Amino acid sequence: AQSVTQLGSHVSVSEGALVLLRCNYSSSVPPYLFWYVQYPNQGLQLLLKYTSAATLVKGINGFEAEFKKSETSFHLTKPSAHMSDAAEYFCAVSGKNTGFQKLVFGTGTRLLVSP
Amino acid sequence: DTEVTQTPKHLVMGMTNKKSLKCEQHMGHRAMYWYKQKAKKPPELMFVYSYEKLSINESVPSRFSPECPNSSLLNLHLHALQPEDSALYLCASSQEAYEHTDTQYFGPGTRLTVL
Repeated sequence: AQSVTQLGSHVSVSEGALVLLRCNYSSSVPPYLFWYVQYPNQGLQLLLKYTSAATLVKGINGFEAEFKKSETSFHLTKPSAHMSDAAEYFCAVSGKNTGFQKLVFGTGTRLLVSP
Repeated sequence: DTEVTQTPKHLVMGMTNKKSLKCEQHMGHRAMYWYKQKAKKPPELMFVYSYEKLSINESVPSRFSPECPNSSLLNLHLHALQPEDSALYLCASSQEAYEHTDTQYFGPGTRLTVL
């Protein structure tokens, strides 16, 4: 079964600092990977996704992620954190070996941004 | 318009009540999903509808009964729930349920409390 592991339930950064949120996947076949953000009391919003077209994926709000097969990773980065980036971030995998799209989410990482 | 709407926003019900959650999208998507999200946990898939037919039921108890009256509308009927069913219920939609690279668009959720 495919799964993702997010290291660090909480990450704290200062405003303007680099944001790095980690995601490692486990899959017997190359997976499709997603990063979603959830603001308090809201639904999830897609930041970016890897669909095997390009290993470096750029998303909304200045976020990007790089798919590294050798490290089975898909870490999310942003060069300079903003206060508005404080939220819960979920990495998710969608398997190719199931008939229908089933997103399996990691446990989430809460990003805290201090002034 | 990439909006998925959900009503009600909040719902409090007793264990003997019958209530329904409603989800609507007007993006022409043919796949719709129900997820359950407990506090500080990732969303967990409950049901997948493809072309108005139930395609995946993730072994959800029968006290949860989904319904897809048309391609834009998805309901979740609730009956005889338990306090442990209290959670945020998220609806999502995507272009096609069998396309693993599709983006799922999430609604804001219904926060359900079972007394």
